[in-house]
Amino acid sequence: DADVTQTPRNRITKTGKRIMLECSQTKGHDRMYWYRQDPGLGLRLIYYSFDVKDINKGEISDGYSVSRQAQAKFSLSLESAIPNQTALYFCATSDFGAGYNEQFFGPGTRLTVL
Amino acid sequence: AQTVTQSQPEMSVQEAETVTLSCTYDTSESNYYLFWYKQPPSRQMILVIRQEAYKQQNATENRFSVNFQKAAKSFSLKISDSQLGDTAMYFCALLNTNAGKSTFGDGTTLTVKP
Repeated sequence: DADVTQTPRNRITKTGKRIMLECSQTKGHDRMYWYRQDPGLGLRLIYYSFDVKDINKGEISDGYSVSRQAQAKFSLSLESAIPNQTALYFCATSDFGAGYNEQFFGPGTRLTVL
Repeated sequence: AQTVTQSQPEMSVQEAETVTLSCTYDTSESNYYLFWYKQPPSRQMILVIRQEAYKQQNATENRFSVNFQKAAKSFSLKISDSQLGDTAMYFCALLNTNAGKSTFGDGTTLTVKP
């Protein structure tokens, strides 16, 4: 079973629609992240959360919101989707304890906004 | 602010040969980690290797090794005995330990030719 799952894997939506991308993890990590990947660019941080009550904006948070429903769940919402939000979205987790610092990524959600 | 620069958008190598991918970074932090992630066509992000900044010894994982030059802020990845399965995009990433956030380079697309 995958440790970090994302739903949906692919989504096509229209301009102005509200859409939610969901992320769940079974790794028991406290830290969760949402990234966006555009062609030819690296991953850019949208939002991150160090625990259920700690939500922080990343470098490109405009147009997005998040919800940390539980330690294991972190959702990303586009309140009114626009075409330039077409991208590949990744959720990631990390565990800052015990010296482990790498991030574990979900499979990604390819979002197309028409 | 921290930055990560990968100056080689694309590279190619013959199967069984050795290739080096470049990465330079900038940070004012003293506590950080560096990573190389691989993204094959399946788009899954996979950790290749990591380096703790406080360690002078270069990290090695089987055919993958790094050349970490802390003073020069350089972190290159060497792939020995390249295999067709190494074909992927490779991302260099810098984790600010205190802030708990990572910055990614724009990636290098590596093609291994038979």
